[in-house]
Amino acid sequence: DAGITQSPRHKVTETGTPVTLRCHQTENHRYMYWYRQDPGHGLRLIHYSYGVKDTDKGEVSDGYSVSRSKTEDFLLTLESATSSQTSVYFCAIRGVGQGYEQYFGPGTRLTVT
Amino acid sequence: GQQLNQSPQSMFIQEGEDVSMNCTSSSIFNTWLWYKQDPGEGPVLLIALYKAGELTSNGRLTAQFGITRKDSFLNISASIPSDVGIYFCAGLMNTGNQFYFGTGTSLTVIP
Repeated sequence: DAGITQSPRHKVTETGTPVTLRCHQTENHRYMYWYRQDPGHGLRLIHYSYGVKDTDKGEVSDGYSVSRSKTEDFLLTLESATSSQTSVYFCAIRGVGQGYEQYFGPGTRLTVT
Repeated sequence: GQQLNQSPQSMFIQEGEDVSMNCTSSSIFNTWLWYKQDPGEGPVLLIALYKAGELTSNGRLTAQFGITRKDSFLNISASIPSDVGIYFCAGLMNTGNQFYFGTGTSLTVIP
């Protein structure tokens, strides 16, 4: 257990509405990541953060923004949700063990109708 | 973006059999990770590998970091029903902060 929680765990929203997903960690890890997981595509990186207020885009960042104002929280925002953003979203942290293990949160299932 | 080639895509085996799966890339990685994911859950880290040629075990699971640094292998010995799930690999390049993932191997164990 890497001390990662995600909220909400499930959400249904309508097209065009803003949505914010929260990732919270308790172990002060520097790196945090947001992924989406879709059938046939595996895990794809949306955005990641390498410190407070330091973020970078991943391969599927269009339509998403992130913020990290505190070490423990990494927020993912869909400014105007679309049906193509229906997915399972996972937050992850990068550990500081011998190497670079990555640990995942339990996920948020988002449905955009 | 970079995607790792993972095979096989699915496996149906009898309980007690051994399982092998692999992950290949056109790029060199300096870290390989193996995960298991159950339905409705987040991926759980099984094994982490950091050196070419490294062989690491976790119970009945054994993983190897390929000597070319472009591949990795996972073996499960004496499979049991709770091994059912999706297994996938992830790699990290020396120069980056991004992990790249395989599309997974779905394992079914028949009692």
